[in-house]
Amino acid sequence: NAGVTQTPKFQVLKTGQSMTLQCAQDMNHEYMSWYRQDPGMGLRLIHYSVGAGITDQGEVPNGYNVSRSTTEDFPLRLLSAAPSQTSVYFCASSYWSANTEAFFGQGTRLTVV
Amino acid sequence: KQEVTQIPAALSVPEGENLVLNCSFTDSAIYNLQWFRQDPGKGLTSLLLIQSSQREQTSGRLNASLDKSSGRSTLYIAASQPGDSATYLCAVIASNTGKLIFGQGTTLQVKP
Repeated sequence: NAGVTQTPKFQVLKTGQSMTLQCAQDMNHEYMSWYRQDPGMGLRLIHYSVGAGITDQGEVPNGYNVSRSTTEDFPLRLLSAAPSQTSVYFCASSYWSANTEAFFGQGTRLTVV
Repeated sequence: KQEVTQIPAALSVPEGENLVLNCSFTDSAIYNLQWFRQDPGKGLTSLLLIQSSQREQTSGRLNASLDKSSGRSTLYIAASQPGDSATYLCAVIASNTGKLIFGQGTTLQVKP
């Protein structure tokens, strides 16, 4: 049981480049979300999805796009990377029920130069 | 807007001490509260989940309590060990959205 898998683990981008952070879960969870973690700012929600075909914005969505074509996958796209997007990104998943715990991936450390 | 605060931001204790980490939230309309551990450079590991109808949960040396009316949760660690050194995060799930809202964490150092 792999849980939540994020790829890549590390990435360096130049300003203006685009890339996709991958997130996959094998627990048949309906709810998936993306967070960024920055020193002094804690974990902030970027986008989330309550099921295939349904996505919504979180606290800091600007500069990021998501889609959810399958239950298992929830990729995060940076269209034109900026230095302000240098961060550690975490993907999480859970059942769409209040009484279940959330599981997190190991994170992607992104540096934009 | 729900806000989650964790105090203290950092804590250093000698091995063997019992300790309490605090988490407070401004809106009592939560589904549940979850405590996580994060080691440096790693992801988040779930420690305990307390449902809104529960008062506490226990796992080994860890005990978490929840008081919705006062907007508080505590994580009690008994007989601390150097291996407990990590950052501890609490997060509430908002009733209306299902979103996880995090505190900024308490960084714990247990000295041998």
